Amino acid sequence: QSVLTQPPSASGTPGQRVTISCSGSSSNIGSNYVYWYQQLPGTAPKLLIYRNNQRPSGVPDRFSGSKSGTSASLAISGLRSEDEADYYCAAWDDSLRVFGGGTKLTVL
Amino acid sequence: EVQLVESGGGLVQPGGSLRLSCAASGFTFSSYEMNWVRQAPGKGLEWVSYISSSGSTIYYADSVKGRFTISRDNAKNSLYLQMNSLRAEDTAVYYCARDSVTASGDYWGQGTLVTVSS
Repeated sequence: QSVLTQPPSASGTPGQRVTISCSGSSSNIGSNYVYWYQQLPGTAPKLLIYRNNQRPSGVPDRFSGSKSGTSASLAISGLRSEDEADYYCAAWDDSLRVFGGGTKLTVL
Repeated sequence: EVQLVESGGGLVQPGGSLRLSCAASGFTFSSYEMNWVRQAPGKGLEWVSYISSSGSTIYYADSVKGRFTISRDNAKNSLYLQMNSLRAEDTAVYYCARDSVTASGDYWGQGTLVTVSS
């Protein structure tokens, strides 16, 4: 049971906009930054969004993050086949780092 | 180019020990906080441990507290994870991940597989 709650799966067709939610509590998302990671099949995780809504250089602006209260979401617009991956949210919770259980995104 | 390369994984019997290493290059290692994160086969990410840039502050997940020890050698640009009293549920790919001032986990290694089995 993960501290942060994500839907186990999401899907969309090419060109569509998809959102992935991440629900936490006042001790993690409610009081700390949210991070999002993308893990392509067979590879290490890659930072996608930091500090709730910031994109590292090289991450397309099709990816965006937002946070409200104790929840956060990742939006992917103009869905592409190469976006098919697992997505994880994360945050600090006091002195512990907590992750969501991950969402497997399928591009139909 | 930032590089993190883990090593030391392998097959170990329950109750055994293993020491993982993470060799860092392409950045000033002594200025960055570091983490170990693991992923059991077919499962999600689980944070294991954190160490500050100087090594003075250390945190552990409850699941490994008392059994695992994180350390670093800034002169050798290396991060370590000493794992004792290993259990089957510790079987996972172990990643080292860097924290920058602005972003946690901005770079990750490719991972090293630890299998605990008799």
